[in-house]
Amino acid sequence: AQSVTQLGSHVSVSEGALVLLRCNYSSSVPPYLFWYVQYPNQGLQLLLKYTSAATLVKGINGFEAEFKKSETSFHLTKPSAHMSDAAEYFCAVRMNYGGSQGNLIFGKGTKLSVKP
Amino acid sequence: KAGVTQTPRYLIKTRGQQVTLSCSPISGHRSVSWYQQTPGQGLQFLFEYFSETQRNKGNFPGRFSGRQFSNSRSEMNVSTLELGDSALYLCASSLWGRWGDPSYEQYFGPGTRLTVT
Repeated sequence: AQSVTQLGSHVSVSEGALVLLRCNYSSSVPPYLFWYVQYPNQGLQLLLKYTSAATLVKGINGFEAEFKKSETSFHLTKPSAHMSDAAEYFCAVRMNYGGSQGNLIFGKGTKLSVKP
Repeated sequence: KAGVTQTPRYLIKTRGQQVTLSCSPISGHRSVSWYQQTPGQGLQFLFEYFSETQRNKGNFPGRFSGRQFSNSRSEMNVSTLELGDSALYLCASSLWGRWGDPSYEQYFGPGTRLTVT
């Protein structure tokens, strides 16, 4: 079964500092991987997705993520944090072959705080 | 283009009651999925509908059910509410119904926050 592990339920960075949110997946075949962001009292917004086209994926708001098959990781980074980046971030996996499991499987989420 | 809308946004119910939540997908989207979000269990998949047919179901009891109408709007119903059903219920829609399609992105609505007392 596929699963997603996000290391660190809370991450705090200073404004302007590097943001690194970790995500590891378990899957017997390369999956589709997604990062979503959730602001308070809102739904999920897609930041970026990996669908095997390129290992380095660029998303919205300056975020990017690198797929590393050898490490089964898909960590999210942003070179310089902004106060508006404070939110909860979710990594999700979905299998990339036809079958009965087309739904997203989410990690537990990482709350990002940005200090002025 | 309007996003995914969910109604109502907030709901308070009593144990034992039943509740119906509604989701209107983005125009043209035919697939609708439902997720439950709680602090303890995180985001969990409930079910997915495509062209009025339930095509995938998560590991939830039969008290949780759903349906999809011909205009792709979807409803989910929870009967005999329990305190543990208090959660944010999120609906997501997508354009294509084919698995393995790289464009199979799910767009989420703002959710319905259900409180069971």
